[in-house]
Amino acid sequence: DARVTQTPRHKVTEMGQEVTMRCQPILGHNTVFWYRQTMMQGLELLAYFRNRAPLDDSGMPKDRFSAEMPDATLATLKIQPSEPRDSAVYFCASGFVRDRSYEQYFGPGTRLTVT
Amino acid sequence: TQLLEQSPQFLSIQEGENLTVYCNSSSVFSSLQWYRQEPGEGPVLLVTVVTGGEVKKLKRLTFQFGDARKDSSLHITAAQPGDTGLYLCAGAQGGTSYGKLTFGQGTILTVHP
Repeated sequence: DARVTQTPRHKVTEMGQEVTMRCQPILGHNTVFWYRQTMMQGLELLAYFRNRAPLDDSGMPKDRFSAEMPDATLATLKIQPSEPRDSAVYFCASGFVRDRSYEQYFGPGTRLTVT
Repeated sequence: TQLLEQSPQFLSIQEGENLTVYCNSSSVFSSLQWYRQEPGEGPVLLVTVVTGGEVKKLKRLTFQFGDARKDSSLHITAAQPGDTGLYLCAGAQGGTSYGKLTFGQGTILTVHP
């Protein structure tokens, strides 16, 4: 049963520290998404890649966030420096084309708390 | 920016009752998906609808895509406590944003035994 994996599951850090979140997409999926979920804003798209190329990162604060896909089995989301307002659950999802739509499969998320 | 509005935001019902969740937009989507999310986990895809007017059934869940592909509904018959969770609709965009999903704010459903 193929799944998207994310590490770490929980992260508590102090303001100003660097945070790196990792995602292993499902093998064979050609699109990877990073989302952030909060009670106030719901699920927000931060960035996404297709065939490892960044397609859209307009949802990310550019000055502190960066997303990369160094290879097909690893996607990373980095925050430097972190701020308390970055506290949220960060989800990675991978997807592929079925019919006229992409189906996305989400990982379990990384719960980030910045104090 | 394409927006999806879900209603109601919160729904608290007794086991055995029926319910409907709505997802509306002023924009046309190439397809629409429904996800369910339980606490501490990521959203799980329930269904994808792609054709205007399409109806899909998944056991006690019935999903409908509006004729104009701007809205959708999720109907649950005889709800059970196991149906409790956050239900999210998501619209897929075409063109250069093909594959990108716009999510609604979600409906938190609680089914009491």
